[in-house]
Amino acid sequence: AQSVSQHNHHVILSEAASLELGCNYSYGGTVNLFWYVQYPGQHLQLLLKYFSGDPLVKGIKGFEAEFIKSKFSFNLRKPSVQWSDTAEYFCAVSRTGGGADGLTFGKGTHLIIQP
Amino acid sequence: KAGVTQTPRYLIKTRGQQVTLSCSPISGHRSVSWYQQTPGQGLQFLFEYFSETQRNKGNFPGRFSGRQFSNSRSEMNVSTLELGDSALYLCASSATGKTEAFFGQGTRLTVV
Repeated sequence: AQSVSQHNHHVILSEAASLELGCNYSYGGTVNLFWYVQYPGQHLQLLLKYFSGDPLVKGIKGFEAEFIKSKFSFNLRKPSVQWSDTAEYFCAVSRTGGGADGLTFGKGTHLIIQP
Repeated sequence: KAGVTQTPRYLIKTRGQQVTLSCSPISGHRSVSWYQQTPGQGLQFLFEYFSETQRNKGNFPGRFSGRQFSNSRSEMNVSTLELGDSALYLCASSATGKTEAFFGQGTRLTVV
């Protein structure tokens, strides 16, 4: 079964700082990769996804992520964060074509942006 | 287009009871998945239904079951509730052939 590891459980940044959240997965086959965000009191929303092609993917709200196959990584980045980016961020993986495990999520990173 | 709707939003049950949660997917989506979210274990996959058939199942005991109706609406049932079943239960729907999942706001179940 695949697994996902998110490096930081809690991150505190000041507004305008740059952000990078680490995500590594373990699975030997082809995967689909996702970053979801959960704002306080709201449902999980898809930030961006990678299926194939250009390993640098751009998502909503200025977020981007880079898939590095050799490192089994899919790190999330944003050049300049805003107070409204305070939320829980989840990296997730699924096997191409679906599979018995559905989406496998990391434990999440709680991001706090200080004004 | 309406999003994924889960009912009820909050539920309090007593140990030993059973509970049924409901999920209405986005119109046209035929795949519905259920996840359990807890502070300790994070988000864990329960099962997935497609066209009224359970297609995939996670590593949960048989007390957790589900079904899907012909209109793609899904229900999840937990029998003989335990304190550890307290969690946020999330439902997600996907379009046919698509992996991207859209989540509802969840049902917060508290077992006392």
